[in-house]
Amino acid sequence: DTAVSQTPKYLVTQMGNDKSIKCEQNLGHDTMYWYKQDSKKFLKIMFSYNNKELIINETVPNRFSPKSPDKAHLNLHINSLELGDSAVYFCASSPWSRAGGYTFGSGTRLTVV
Amino acid sequence: AQTVTQSQPEMSVQEAETVTLSCTYDTSESDYYLFWYKQPPSRQMILVIRQEAYKQQNATENRFSVNFQKAAKSFSLKISDSQLGDAAMYFCAYRTLNTGNQFYFGTGTSLTVIP
Repeated sequence: DTAVSQTPKYLVTQMGNDKSIKCEQNLGHDTMYWYKQDSKKFLKIMFSYNNKELIINETVPNRFSPKSPDKAHLNLHINSLELGDSAVYFCASSPWSRAGGYTFGSGTRLTVV
Repeated sequence: AQTVTQSQPEMSVQEAETVTLSCTYDTSESDYYLFWYKQPPSRQMILVIRQEAYKQQNATENRFSVNFQKAAKSFSLKISDSQLGDAAMYFCAYRTLNTGNQFYFGTGTSLTVIP
């Protein structure tokens, strides 16, 4: 069973469209995250939820909106896609406790054309 | 905010040899966690090794070990008996225990293993 599952793995779409990326974890973790990895491989946090509560909301355009219906799911919706949104988006989860490392999803490669 | 620096964008190593990847970080916190993650071409992020800041003993996982120097804020990864499958991007990460418990990642080191 996949621990952190992201769908889709690849997404190619036109500028101006709205798209969603889904993430689900079956590890019982309290906290989930969205990270963006740019073309230079730099990983930057976008959002973090703990038990459905938004904890971290970094400076990202408000075209990006996370939604956490329960602590096992954290979806990312992106409105009015732009060329600069092309990147790999990673979902991750971790226990809230001190010792936990991240478990990552396999990433979604978003290409905006 | 904490910063994590990996000063080696690229490294190479002969198969079966040993290589060390460097990482330094900046923090005013006394308690935190440090990690190394591996990202092969498959894109999957894989946890390699973890170190608790309150532990003086360096973590070891099979062929992977760290040299943790808390005072110097240094956290290097040593890979012994390098294998072709070790070729990947390696990220050093710092986990704060404050707001959000978030990770801060370095910019990565691309490791090539030469047969």
